[in-house]
Amino acid sequence: GQNIDQPTEMTATEGAIVQINCTYQTSGFNGLFWYQQHAGEAPTFLSYNVLDGLEEKGRFSSFLSRSKGYSYLLLKELQMKDSASYLCAVMDSNYQLIWGAGTKLIIKP
Amino acid sequence: IAGITQAPTSQILAAGRRMTLRCTQDMRHNAMYWYRQDLGLGLRLIHYSNTAGTTGKGEVPDGYSVSRANTDDFPLTLASAVPSQTSVYFCASSEGPGDHNEQFFGPGTRLTVL
Repeated sequence: GQNIDQPTEMTATEGAIVQINCTYQTSGFNGLFWYQQHAGEAPTFLSYNVLDGLEEKGRFSSFLSRSKGYSYLLLKELQMKDSASYLCAVMDSNYQLIWGAGTKLIIKP
Repeated sequence: IAGITQAPTSQILAAGRRMTLRCTQDMRHNAMYWYRQDLGLGLRLIHYSNTAGTTGKGEVPDGYSVSRANTDDFPLTLASAVPSQTSVYFCASSEGPGDHNEQFFGPGTRLTVL
């Protein structure tokens, strides 16, 4: 079966760095996406990785290792507005997105 | 209209009733999707459409139907609602069905079936 695993909840301090991990087992791989979802709102796109390595975009970076079936999202200089759920999704061989349950990130002052 | 809109925002529905959730996008995207999101679970694909005039079944299609008569609209119909269909429903679109195409989401419809 297809499976995306990520921690249910994480807590971090404002101004700090946090790494959210995602491991996956899917039928085929056509890229990995990270989305941010604030409570009661729609998911919004953060990043896309299809090749191994690190993609940096401002305070957010995303890493992919295809051989390990592993990705992480790194958030630097945390701000209170970063409190949200972070969703990992893998595009499978049918070009459909398989979604993890999301990691709820709580930022404390 | 800017992006994707969904209607209604929320709805309480009696079991056995028929209900259509509406979704409209103005980005001229070819692909559109319907997901449901339940607490503790990831988004699950109900139905999708890679281009106007075509539709396909996702992971959880039973009890739902869709149509794609034109590029902009992708309604989702529950023929006879059941309590297990209580969920938040998101419509999404992307330029195409292929890789690297990020999906843009509508604001969601919160549906309660009693």
